[in-house]
Amino acid sequence: AQSVTQPDIHITVSEGASLELRCNYSYGATPYLFWYVQSPGQGLQLLLKYFSGDTLVQGIKGFEAEFKRSQSSFNLRKPSVHWSDAAEYFCAVGEFTGGGNKLTFGTGTQLKVEL
Amino acid sequence: SQTIHQWPATLVQPVGSPLSLECTVEGTSNPNLYWYRQAAGRGLQLLFYSVGIGQISSEVPQNLSASRPQDRQFILSSKKLLLSDSGFYLCAWSVRTSGRAWQYFGPGTRLTVT
Repeated sequence: AQSVTQPDIHITVSEGASLELRCNYSYGATPYLFWYVQSPGQGLQLLLKYFSGDTLVQGIKGFEAEFKRSQSSFNLRKPSVHWSDAAEYFCAVGEFTGGGNKLTFGTGTQLKVEL
Repeated sequence: SQTIHQWPATLVQPVGSPLSLECTVEGTSNPNLYWYRQAAGRGLQLLFYSVGIGQISSEVPQNLSASRPQDRQFILSSKKLLLSDSGFYLCAWSVRTSGRAWQYFGPGTRLTVT
């Protein structure tokens, strides 16, 4: 079965500093990978996705992620964090089965931004 | 454009009472629909998904059930709530395609069972 690990439960960075959120996955085939962001009490918003091709993918709000098959990783990065980036971030791996696309999520990383 | 609605936004129910949460999608046809539950510190757990009217797949045996009476309507129900049913419930949809699709999430329902 597929699984996703986000080893950092909480991360604090200063505004303007760079950010990297870690994600490791376990999946037998070529994975579909996603990063979502959730503000308190809200639903999830898709930041970026990887299906195939270029291993460096660009997303919204200045985020990017790099797929590394050899490390089973899909880390999220941003060169300069803004205070509005404070939120919870979820990595997910997708599996197409029985006509449905099922997502398995990591437990999330809570990002705090210090001004 | 497509939108997804969930209601109610918050709900406080006593143990043993019934539950009905509703999710509707606008602006698309034949979507795949999903129910997730989010408990504190545990990420999101897929509860049910549906690829068409009346077609429900359950991921986790539990006290809940789901139904899809119309193409763009997905309902989560329980006959008798347990304390452990408390959580944040999220509905999502995706286009029906052979693999490369992502999910759009609704605003969620906060359920507290007392």
